[in-house]
Amino acid sequence: DAGVIQSPRHEVTEMGQEVTLRCKPISGHDYLFWYRQTMMRGLELLIYFNNNVPIDDSGMPEDRFSAKMPNASFSTLKIQPSEPRDSAVYFCASSRAGTGELKLFFGSGTQLSVL
Amino acid sequence: EDQVTQSPEALRLQEGESSSLNCSYTVSGLRGLFWYRQDPGKGPEFLFTLYSAGEEKEKERLKATLTKKESFLHITAPKPEDSATYLCAVSNSNSGYALNFGKGTSLLVTP
Repeated sequence: DAGVIQSPRHEVTEMGQEVTLRCKPISGHDYLFWYRQTMMRGLELLIYFNNNVPIDDSGMPEDRFSAKMPNASFSTLKIQPSEPRDSAVYFCASSRAGTGELKLFFGSGTQLSVL
Repeated sequence: EDQVTQSPEALRLQEGESSSLNCSYTVSGLRGLFWYRQDPGKGPEFLFTLYSAGEEKEKERLKATLTKKESFLHITAPKPEDSATYLCAVSNSNSGYALNFGKGTSLLVTP
């Protein structure tokens, strides 16, 4: 299995532009998570899905952020408009329920820089 | 609200010098405590899950233990390839599969 695949690996954009981050979870996994990592705040959960349905989006910082999961093999995190304080590494992770052990598999992340 | 505090923030060891990393937590209804390893430029990689006080798990030079208030990650005779950031996380009975992470301990093992 290729693992969790995120794209792009790096994104540099200007303030006010729309940014779309993409994630392909591991096949057969029914949970998908979006995390953001900064030096100051560490890893923060933004939102997670179960069977393509958003379960908890309380970590989404504001209305500028939105996430979708149209099917079991694809999810997007969109920021519109982007701001410099959104600069961070964004990770997607997936997991499979019912395995007897909760284990998240993370992608390699998207390094976002908003100028 | 769940709180996870890791110490020290950074640790430098010589190869073969054993030590422990600490993770203190406050959670209502612990569902699980997790340890992950993160290498630079990569996503966190799963190491262990502990579910109840007194539980221990081992993997190569790493051993994780759990009490009602904290967890330790013991590193025995570390090697340079053990250098990484080690992250602790918890989930509670209400958060389901969502993990709340600490800020991590950055470990450097020198030859």
